[in-house]
Amino acid sequence: NAGVTQTPKFRILKIGQSMTLQCTQDMNHNYMYWYRQDPGMGLKLIYYSVGAGITDKGEVPNGYNVSRSTTEDFPLRLELAAPSQTSVYFCASSYSRSAEQETQYFGPGTRLLVL
Amino acid sequence: QKEVEQDPGPLSVPEGAIVSLNCTYSNSAFQYFMWYRQYSRKGPELLMYTYSSGNKEDGRFTAQVDKSSKYISLFIRDSQPSDSATYLCAMSARTNAGKSTFGDGTTLTVKP
Repeated sequence: NAGVTQTPKFRILKIGQSMTLQCTQDMNHNYMYWYRQDPGMGLKLIYYSVGAGITDKGEVPNGYNVSRSTTEDFPLRLELAAPSQTSVYFCASSYSRSAEQETQYFGPGTRLLVL
Repeated sequence: QKEVEQDPGPLSVPEGAIVSLNCTYSNSAFQYFMWYRQYSRKGPELLMYTYSSGNKEDGRFTAQVDKSSKYISLFIRDSQPSDSATYLCAMSARTNAGKSTFGDGTTLTVKP
């Protein structure tokens, strides 16, 4: 199993550009999450999904959009990039029917710099 | 006020020391308590998982939960340079779509 994979690893965007961060998991997890982590800070939840076709906002959703058309994929879309979106983005997944459903498996992250 | 507060650090200890990492929380609905380890430029990985109150031991690591005080700890015995990382506490309530609330992390450096 590859676990949770994210692409790209690093990206520089100009203000106003848009991009999609890709996330794929091969563990058949039904729950998936997107977080951002600013330097010296913890993880802030952007969006999450409890299954294909179902998404919901987290703590900091403004400026982002998501979709979940399959169990495996959970892309994060940035529209009109702003410097405040400079951060490291982590995708994670978990399995709701596990006794340890609250534990999440994280991808390696995407570093985004908006200039 | 944040739901989860974590001792900010950074923490620097000599090899072999006992390390104590701590978090407090305010939401009494939290039942699941996790510790994640995050190496520099990597994603967090689950280190310890505890349900409700009590202690859980795994090798050199012990997780402790005191729900009456809303306080959790992670102890590392015989610390090694390879333990140098940022440690994140996380907790969640049942039927919360698996959403966890994370602390801001404590960065630990173990010096040889």
